[in-house]
This record gives sequence, C-alpha cells and structure tokens, in this order.
Amino acid sequence: NAGVTQTPKFQVLKTGQSMTLQCAQDMNHEYMSWYRQDPGMGLRLIHYSVGAGITDQGEVPNGYNVSRSTTEDFPLRLLSAAPSQTSVYFCASRITGGGYEQYFGPGTRLTVT
Amino acid sequence: KNEVEQSPQNLTAQEGEFITINCSYSVGISALHWLQQHPGGGIVSLFMLSSGKKKHGRLIATINIQEKHSSLHITASHPRDSAVYICAPYQLIWGAGTKLIIKP
Repeated sequence: NAGVTQTPKFQVLKTGQSMTLQCAQDMNHEYMSWYRQDPGMGLRLIHYSVGAGITDQGEVPNGYNVSRSTTEDFPLRLLSAAPSQTSVYFCASRITGGGYEQYFGPGTRLTVT
Repeated sequence: KNEVEQSPQNLTAQEGEFITINCSYSVGISALHWLQQHPGGGIVSLFMLSSGKKKHGRLIATINIQEKHSSLHITASHPRDSAVYICAPYQLIWGAGTKLIIKP
C-alpha cells in the first residue's frame, strides 16, 4: 500500500492564482481531512469528509474548497491564493469512528508571494 | 485559553535520559492520539489510547481520562528520537507539539 500520497511536495504561487492540492489514499478509508500547519501552531483542520459525496468545514475553511467524488481522492482547491495561505498542508485519512489513528501524507509546502 | 496544553514546549536532553512529555486538555474525549513529526516534516502515528497505558519499544503512553491528562515517556532516549511530539485529543484539537532534541 502506498498509504496517503500528496502532490505536489512544493509549490510557489502568486497572489490571486488558483491551484489544487491532490490527496489520495489506497486504504479504503472513509474519513479524509486536510490540515494546515503554521510555525508554532498545532495542525488546524480545513475541511474533512466522512465519505464520497460528503464534505464539511473544519476550523479554517475560508479560501479553500474540497470535493469527494471517490473514496480514494480528496483534492483541496485554493480559489485565489493569498500570502496568508503560505503554510504546510497535510492530508490524512482514517477509518470513520472514534479511536482510530490517522495516517498522514508527506505534506505540501506552499508559498504564496 | 488553549484547549490542549503540552509541556514542555522545548526539551533538550542527553542520550540515555528518560523523557516525559505531558499533555493536558479541556475537552471530554474518549481517545487521544500521540504523533511524531520528524525534522523532515513527516507525521507518524505513535499511539491511540483511551485508557491506561500502551507501550511500543522504548515509548510508553499513559492517559487518565478523568483527569484529562496524558503523558508520553521515552526510555533510554537516542538522538533519532529528536522530533516534535504532538498530542491530539480525539484528533479534533491538536497541540502545538513538544520539540525534543536528544544530544549524543
């Protein structure tokens, strides 16, 4: 199993540009989520999904869109990039329900200039 | 007020020392996750526990659900243990992490 994969690993955008961060998992996990990690802060939940066709907002959803057309894929779209979105983005997946550990992708380091 | 407090925020120790990292939280939970983030950025799950104690190699995690407190211990610490250790009560709220450096 590849686990959770993310692409790209690094990205530089100009303010106002849009892009999609890709996330895929091959563990048949229903629950997938996107986090951002900023220096000195804990992971903050952007959006999450409990299954194909179902998404919901997390703590910091503004400026981001998600969709979940398949169990495997959970892309994160930046609609109009802003410098405040400079961060490291992690995708994660797990079995739905309490008590199950999450598996993280390697992260995408995004810089918006 | 932060809902998750980890202490210490930074810890530097010599190889071989016994390490303790503490996590206190304010939300009622049924399980807590400990993770390790390597200097390269990758995040690895260490433990998911809902009561008592779990042990994996040199790592031991304990939790007291009633006291809303968990600890992560590392015995016979090694430089390769240098990382950021993160606790996450029920994976909804994430601590900022404890940065651990083990010197040879």
